[in-house]
Amino acid sequence: SQTIHQWPATLVQPVGSPLSLECTVEGTSNPNLYWYRQAAGRGLQLLFYSVGIGQISSEVPQNLSASRPQDRQFILSSKKLLLSDSGFYLCAWRRKARYTEAFFGQGTRLTVV
Amino acid sequence: AQKVTQAQTEISVVEKEDVTLDCVYETRDTTYYLFWYKQPPSGELVFLIRRNSFDEQNEISGRYSWNFQKSTSSFNFTITASQVVDSAVYFCALGSGGYQKVTFGTGTKLQVIP
Repeated sequence: SQTIHQWPATLVQPVGSPLSLECTVEGTSNPNLYWYRQAAGRGLQLLFYSVGIGQISSEVPQNLSASRPQDRQFILSSKKLLLSDSGFYLCAWRRKARYTEAFFGQGTRLTVV
Repeated sequence: AQKVTQAQTEISVVEKEDVTLDCVYETRDTTYYLFWYKQPPSGELVFLIRRNSFDEQNEISGRYSWNFQKSTSSFNFTITASQVVDSAVYFCALGSGGYQKVTFGTGTKLQVIP
C-alpha cells in the first residue's frame, strides 16, 4: 500500500532562518506531488506541484521554493523565512491516472517568530 | 480559472441532527472531478469521495450522502444523524486543467455538540 511521510510535524523558526520540509512517498512510482499551505482559518492554497523529477510548477509568487531530487521525494525550502510564512504545510501525492484523488501527509505546522 | 466556494464557514449542530455542507464550483472545463475531504483536529486530510463530471448519480455511504448537480454547479454533502466524531473541517475540491491541479474551497468547520 502507498504511504506518504512528511516531517517534521511541528517547527518553530526565527525570521530570516532557512527552511527545509521533506516529503516522501512509498509504494508507488512517478506520482504527481504537491505542496499546499493552510493559513489559520483558511483553505488550502496550492504552492507547488511536480509531475516528475526536476519538474516544478509554482502557483503563487512567494518566498518559498520546491525541489524534486528523486521520484518520490519532494522538498519545500526557503532561504530566509518571513513571518507570513507561518502556517500548516501539507504534502500530497496523486497517481497520474485521470480522476484520481490526492492523498495527504500529516502536515507540518510552521511558526515563524 | 477554477474556483470552489464553501459559503458556510462554521456550522454547529446537536448530535443526531442532519447537516448539509454546501459546495459550489466554477470551471470552464467540460471534464472535471470533485472531492470532499475531512480534516480532523489532527490536521491530516482524509479523502471521503470522488465524483466525475460525467457521473451525476448521487451517492450514499452509510451516514454520508452527496448530491451532485451540474445544472447548479453544486456538490453538497449531507451527514445524517451526526455524531461528535463528525466534528472536523470539511473541504470541497475541484480537479481539472489536465488533472494536475486540485483547487480547494476554504472549508466548513462542523461542530457536533453532544
